[in-house]
Amino acid sequence: DAGVIQSPRHEVTEMGQEVTLRCKPISGHDYLFWYRQTMMRGLELLIYFNNNVPIDDSGMPEDRFSAKMPNASFSTLKIQPSEPRDSAVYFCASSLVVWGSYSGNTIYFGEGSWLTVV
Amino acid sequence: AQSVAQPEDQVNVAEGNPLTVKCTYSVSGNPYLFWYVQYPNRGLQFLLKYITGDNLVKGSYGFEAEFNKSQTSFHLKKPSALVSDSALYFCAVRTENYGGATNKLIFGTGTLLAVQP
Repeated sequence: DAGVIQSPRHEVTEMGQEVTLRCKPISGHDYLFWYRQTMMRGLELLIYFNNNVPIDDSGMPEDRFSAKMPNASFSTLKIQPSEPRDSAVYFCASSLVVWGSYSGNTIYFGEGSWLTVV
Repeated sequence: AQSVAQPEDQVNVAEGNPLTVKCTYSVSGNPYLFWYVQYPNRGLQFLLKYITGDNLVKGSYGFEAEFNKSQTSFHLKKPSALVSDSALYFCAVRTENYGGATNKLIFGTGTLLAVQP
Protein backbone atom coordinates (compact mmCIF):
# COMPACT_ATOMS: atom_id res chain seq x y z
CA ASP A 1 0.00 0.00 0.00
CA ALA A 2 1.18 3.52 -0.74
CA GLY A 3 0.33 4.77 2.73
CA VAL A 4 -1.50 7.98 3.54
CA ILE A 5 -0.99 10.48 0.74
CA GLN A 6 -1.16 14.20 1.34
CA SER A 7 -0.98 17.12 -1.04
CA PRO A 8 0.45 19.63 -1.39
CA ARG A 9 3.65 18.81 0.51
CA HIS A 10 4.57 22.47 0.75
CA GLU A 11 2.49 25.58 0.29
CA VAL A 12 3.30 29.24 0.73
CA THR A 13 0.35 31.57 0.51
CA GLU A 14 -0.56 35.13 1.31
CA MET A 15 -2.71 36.09 4.23
CA GLY A 16 -6.37 36.08 3.31
CA GLN A 17 -6.09 33.43 0.64
CA GLU A 18 -7.95 30.15 0.76
CA VAL A 19 -5.89 27.04 1.43
CA THR A 20 -7.06 23.50 0.68
CA LEU A 21 -5.13 20.50 1.95
CA ARG A 22 -5.92 17.07 0.59
CA CYS A 23 -5.63 13.57 1.93
CA LYS A 24 -6.05 10.06 0.61
CA PRO A 25 -6.20 7.53 3.47
CA ILE A 26 -5.00 3.97 3.32
CA SER A 27 -7.52 1.84 1.47
CA GLY A 28 -9.89 0.02 3.82
CA HIS A 29 -9.28 2.24 6.81
CA ASP A 30 -12.40 3.51 8.53
CA TYR A 31 -10.98 6.36 10.59
CA LEU A 32 -9.36 9.52 9.28
CA PHE A 33 -7.67 12.16 11.42
CA TRP A 34 -6.35 15.66 10.81
CA TYR A 35 -3.58 16.84 13.13
CA ARG A 36 -1.65 20.07 13.27
CA GLN A 37 1.92 20.36 14.55
CA THR A 38 3.56 23.57 15.73
CA MET A 39 6.52 24.27 17.93
CA MET A 40 4.35 26.04 20.49
CA ARG A 41 1.47 23.57 20.78
CA GLY A 42 2.95 20.30 19.61
CA LEU A 43 0.58 17.82 17.96
CA GLU A 44 -3.07 18.81 18.11
CA LEU A 45 -5.98 16.73 16.89
CA LEU A 46 -8.21 18.99 14.81
CA ILE A 47 -10.96 16.63 13.68
CA TYR A 48 -11.58 12.98 12.98
CA PHE A 49 -14.00 11.01 10.86
CA ASN A 50 -15.41 7.51 11.15
CA ASN A 51 -16.82 6.01 7.96
CA ASN A 52 -16.77 9.48 6.38
CA VAL A 53 -18.80 11.05 9.21
CA PRO A 54 -17.20 13.73 11.40
CA ILE A 55 -17.12 12.45 14.96
CA ASP A 56 -15.27 15.12 16.89
CA ASP A 57 -14.31 18.53 15.58
CA SER A 58 -13.66 20.10 18.95
CA GLY A 59 -10.05 20.72 18.02
CA MET A 60 -10.83 22.88 15.02
CA PRO A 61 -9.48 26.31 15.97
CA GLU A 62 -12.25 28.49 14.58
CA ASP A 63 -14.79 28.89 11.83
CA ARG A 64 -12.10 29.63 9.29
CA PHE A 65 -11.27 25.92 9.36
CA SER A 66 -13.48 23.29 7.78
CA ALA A 67 -12.99 19.64 6.86
CA LYS A 68 -14.91 17.29 4.63
CA MET A 69 -14.78 13.65 3.71
CA PRO A 70 -17.02 13.11 0.68
CA ASN A 71 -16.00 9.47 0.32
CA ALA A 72 -13.84 6.82 1.91
CA SER A 73 -10.78 7.69 -0.15
CA PHE A 74 -10.62 11.46 0.07
CA SER A 75 -10.68 14.25 2.63
CA THR A 76 -9.96 17.97 2.57
CA LEU A 77 -9.03 20.52 5.21
CA LYS A 78 -9.79 24.07 4.16
CA ILE A 79 -8.68 27.33 5.72
CA GLN A 80 -10.50 30.45 4.55
CA PRO A 81 -9.23 33.08 5.01
CA SER A 82 -5.74 32.03 6.02
CA GLU A 83 -3.69 33.92 8.61
CA PRO A 84 0.02 33.84 9.48
CA ARG A 85 -0.75 32.02 12.74
CA ASP A 86 -2.07 29.10 10.68
CA SER A 87 1.49 28.35 9.57
CA ALA A 88 2.16 24.79 10.67
CA VAL A 89 2.53 21.24 9.47
CA TYR A 90 -0.81 19.57 8.89
CA PHE A 91 -0.89 15.79 9.10
CA CYS A 92 -3.53 13.44 7.87
CA ALA A 93 -3.67 9.98 9.38
CA SER A 94 -5.86 6.91 9.07
CA SER A 95 -6.54 3.67 10.88
CA LEU A 96 -8.69 0.58 10.94
CA VAL A 97 -10.21 0.06 14.36
CA VAL A 98 -10.63 -3.48 15.56
CA TRP A 99 -11.43 -3.38 19.24
CA GLY A 100 -9.39 -5.81 21.29
CA SER A 101 -7.36 -6.93 18.32
CA TYR A 102 -3.62 -6.50 18.05
CA SER A 103 -3.64 -6.40 14.29
CA GLY A 104 -5.61 -3.20 13.95
CA ASN A 105 -5.71 0.11 15.73
CA THR A 106 -2.44 1.57 14.52
CA ILE A 107 -2.77 5.10 13.17
CA TYR A 108 -0.62 5.72 10.12
CA PHE A 109 0.46 9.22 9.21
CA GLY A 110 1.11 10.94 5.94
CA GLU A 111 4.24 13.00 5.31
CA GLY A 112 2.42 16.21 6.11
CA SER A 113 1.54 19.44 4.35
CA TRP A 114 3.93 22.24 5.34
CA LEU A 115 1.93 25.48 5.25
CA THR A 116 3.42 28.95 5.44
CA VAL A 117 1.11 31.95 5.43
CA VAL A 118 2.89 35.26 4.84
CA ALA B 1 -9.59 12.50 30.82
CA GLN B 2 -6.82 10.58 29.18
CA SER B 3 -3.35 12.08 29.01
CA VAL B 4 0.23 11.23 28.26
CA ALA B 5 3.33 12.69 29.85
CA GLN B 6 6.85 12.65 28.50
CA PRO B 7 8.83 14.21 31.33
CA GLU B 8 12.02 14.79 29.37
CA ASP B 9 12.23 17.32 26.55
CA GLN B 10 15.58 15.90 25.50
CA VAL B 11 17.59 12.77 26.15
CA ASN B 12 21.29 12.65 25.36
CA VAL B 13 23.12 9.37 25.03
CA ALA B 14 26.42 8.20 23.59
CA GLU B 15 26.40 5.84 20.64
CA GLY B 16 26.52 2.24 21.79
CA ASN B 17 24.98 2.98 25.18
CA PRO B 18 21.47 1.88 26.14
CA LEU B 19 18.74 4.46 25.87
CA THR B 20 15.42 5.01 27.62
CA VAL B 21 12.73 7.51 26.69
CA LYS B 22 10.10 7.82 29.39
CA CYS B 23 6.34 7.91 29.07
CA THR B 24 3.55 7.77 31.64
CA TYR B 25 -0.15 7.77 30.95
CA SER B 26 -3.49 8.35 32.59
CA VAL B 27 -6.62 6.73 31.22
CA SER B 28 -9.86 5.19 32.29
CA GLY B 29 -10.22 1.73 30.87
CA ASN B 30 -7.69 -0.39 29.05
CA PRO B 31 -4.97 1.64 27.35
CA TYR B 32 -3.66 1.13 23.85
CA LEU B 33 -0.16 2.61 23.90
CA PHE B 34 2.00 3.63 20.97
CA TRP B 35 5.42 5.01 20.18
CA TYR B 36 6.08 7.05 17.06
CA VAL B 37 9.29 8.56 15.72
CA GLN B 38 9.62 11.72 13.66
CA TYR B 39 12.74 12.48 11.67
CA PRO B 40 13.38 16.07 10.53
CA ASN B 41 10.89 17.30 7.95
CA ARG B 42 9.07 13.96 7.91
CA GLY B 43 5.80 12.55 9.15
CA LEU B 44 5.35 10.35 12.18
CA GLN B 45 6.42 6.75 11.76
CA PHE B 46 4.93 3.97 13.85
CA LEU B 47 7.48 2.14 16.02
CA LEU B 48 5.52 -0.20 18.26
CA LYS B 49 2.35 -0.62 20.25
CA TYR B 50 0.91 -2.35 23.27
CA ILE B 51 -2.65 -3.61 22.98
CA THR B 52 -2.70 -6.69 25.14
CA GLY B 53 -0.53 -9.67 26.03
CA ASP B 54 3.16 -9.57 26.93
CA ASN B 55 4.25 -6.46 28.73
CA LEU B 56 7.48 -6.27 26.72
CA VAL B 57 6.78 -5.19 23.18
CA LYS B 58 9.34 -5.29 20.40
CA GLY B 59 9.16 -2.94 17.47
CA SER B 60 11.02 -1.50 14.52
CA TYR B 61 14.74 -0.61 14.41
CA GLY B 62 15.56 -2.63 17.53
CA PHE B 63 13.35 -0.62 19.84
CA GLU B 64 11.25 -2.15 22.59
CA ALA B 65 8.93 -0.85 25.27
CA GLU B 66 7.71 -2.20 28.56
CA PHE B 67 4.15 -1.76 29.69
CA ASN B 68 3.91 -1.36 33.47
CA LYS B 69 0.34 -1.17 34.63
CA SER B 70 1.09 -0.45 38.29
CA GLN B 71 3.33 2.48 37.39
CA THR B 72 1.19 3.50 34.39
CA SER B 73 4.32 3.71 32.31
CA PHE B 74 5.37 2.67 28.82
CA HIS B 75 9.05 3.53 28.51
CA LEU B 76 10.84 3.13 25.18
CA LYS B 77 14.19 1.37 25.25
CA LYS B 78 17.01 0.25 23.03
CA PRO B 79 20.05 -1.75 24.18
CA SER B 80 22.56 0.08 21.98
CA ALA B 81 21.89 3.53 20.53
CA LEU B 82 22.88 4.59 17.03
CA VAL B 83 23.54 8.10 15.78
CA SER B 84 20.78 7.48 13.24
CA ASP B 85 18.30 7.04 16.12
CA SER B 86 18.49 10.79 16.74
CA ALA B 87 14.94 12.06 16.23
CA LEU B 88 11.81 13.22 18.00
CA TYR B 89 9.89 10.47 19.79
CA PHE B 90 6.23 10.61 20.68
CA CYS B 91 4.29 8.44 23.08
CA ALA B 92 0.54 8.20 22.52
CA VAL B 93 -2.48 6.58 24.14
CA ARG B 94 -5.84 5.47 22.89
CA THR B 95 -8.56 4.02 25.11
CA GLU B 96 -10.78 1.10 24.39
CA ASN B 97 -14.30 2.32 23.87
CA TYR B 98 -16.84 -0.14 22.58
CA GLY B 99 -19.26 2.69 21.98
CA GLY B 100 -16.90 4.07 19.39
CA ALA B 101 -17.89 7.60 20.31
CA THR B 102 -14.36 8.65 21.15
CA ASN B 103 -11.40 7.19 19.41
CA LYS B 104 -8.71 9.77 19.77
CA LEU B 105 -4.98 9.19 19.86
CA ILE B 106 -3.57 11.57 22.43
CA PHE B 107 0.10 12.42 22.06
CA GLY B 108 2.72 13.45 24.54
CA THR B 109 4.79 16.55 23.92
CA GLY B 110 7.64 14.58 22.43
CA THR B 111 11.21 13.83 23.51
CA LEU B 112 14.17 14.76 21.38
CA LEU B 113 16.72 11.98 21.39
CA ALA B 114 20.25 13.05 20.60
CA VAL B 115 22.82 10.30 20.13
CA GLN B 116 26.40 11.50 20.15
CA PRO B 117 29.05 9.61 18.15
